[in-house]
Amino acid sequence: QQQVKQSPQSLIVQKGGISIINCAYENTAFDYFPWYQQFPGKGPALLIAIRPDVSEKKEGRFTISFNKSAKQFSLHIMDSQPGDSATYFCAASADNYGQNFVFGPGTRLSVLP
Amino acid sequence: DAGVTQSPTHLIKTRGQQVTLRCSPKSGHDTVSWYQQALGQGPQFIFQYYEEEERQRGNFPDRFSGHQFPNYSSELNVNALLLGDSALYLCASSRQSEAFFGQGTRLTVV
Repeated sequence: QQQVKQSPQSLIVQKGGISIINCAYENTAFDYFPWYQQFPGKGPALLIAIRPDVSEKKEGRFTISFNKSAKQFSLHIMDSQPGDSATYFCAASADNYGQNFVFGPGTRLSVLP
Repeated sequence: DAGVTQSPTHLIKTRGQQVTLRCSPKSGHDTVSWYQQALGQGPQFIFQYYEEEERQRGNFPDRFSGHQFPNYSSELNVNALLLGDSALYLCASSRQSEAFFGQGTRLTVV
């Protein structure tokens, strides 16, 4: 019940295309859902986050779509660029104090020039 | 403003030894969490410190212990190292929900 499932495991997209990564959870106590981007040898960097009271949040080229009834959320990267090539992790937290995150296994995104 | 800083960046230890990793949180952050990230996997929560107390703990054995100092910096200690402890150890700090990670300490146990 503490798991966060993430798919696909890897994704190859052409420059300018849309990258879509999906996540699903079981624990209905989760109330905070961030997405992190990680480059090799670096720590995860917060991209965008959402709470269950909204169905969509957009920041620049990054959009989170959230479906509370299906317990699913997804990251859309519009106009994907080679510099977006990285590993993306979805995460979830039920911790009022934040930071006790359950992470998905990650999606390795490659954007071809 | 410096972000979350961790030291050292890389470390090689022998099985059975003990190791201490250090973390300085982002300015203004009072909560520090530690994560273990094995190669090719997502980070796994070890424990969280707030007001110098361990507030939450993940599914890690007692060989993993920590400390938070009055200036909010933190240490992660691992005793009796196993080969399976080889991983990237990440520190995250926050004041509320938004957490920022350091670049991690790569621990290799040989």
